[in-house]
Amino acid sequence: AQSVTQLDSQVPVFEEAPVELRCNYSSSVSVYLFWYVQYPNQGLQLLLKYLSGSTLVKGINGFEAEFNKSQTSFHLRKPSVHISDTAEYFCAVSEIDSGSRLTFGEGTQLTVNP
Amino acid sequence: EAGVAQSPRYKIIEKRQSVAFWCNPISGHATLYWYQQILGQGPKLLIQFQNNGVVDDSQLPKDRFSAERLKGVDSTLKIQPAKLEDSAVYLCASSLDGTGFFSPLHFGNGTRLTVT
Repeated sequence: AQSVTQLDSQVPVFEEAPVELRCNYSSSVSVYLFWYVQYPNQGLQLLLKYLSGSTLVKGINGFEAEFNKSQTSFHLRKPSVHISDTAEYFCAVSEIDSGSRLTFGEGTQLTVNP
Repeated sequence: EAGVAQSPRYKIIEKRQSVAFWCNPISGHATLYWYQQILGQGPKLLIQFQNNGVVDDSQLPKDRFSAERLKGVDSTLKIQPAKLEDSAVYLCASSLDGTGFFSPLHFGNGTRLTVT
């Protein structure tokens, strides 16, 4: 069975600083990987996904993530954050043969301070 | 396009009472999911429907939770009787096809349940 570990529960940063949210996964088979964002009192929104091909994937709002198979990681990065990026970020994984069942990490609260 | 609609937004009940949540997916989406998100945790899949059939309900506590998707469109999730540990946000999501990968999951805003 797959599992996801988000290494930081809270990440405070200043506006315009770079940020990296870390995600490691565990699976015995090939996986698909996702990052979702949840703004206060809103539903989850897909930021980006890795299905196959290039290991560097770009998403919405200037975010990108890199799939590293050897380290079983899928870290999310943004070179310069804005106040509006304050939200909860979830990493999710799905084993390719498991249908569309997603396993989410515990989430990382990103707080961007002025 | 209209998003995934859920109601109510908030619900407060006492333990041992029953409660029902409603979800209307995006038009044309064949797959519907119910997730439970306990405070401080990531969402956990409770049940997945493909049209009006159940694909995966392995994590649904069937002694107290039930769900249906009549006519393959909207869905209802019920808890009876509720326990304190059921306090959570219940998220509904839908996707265009059965895999949910090449057409991403679209989530509703959720129903926040508080059991006292």
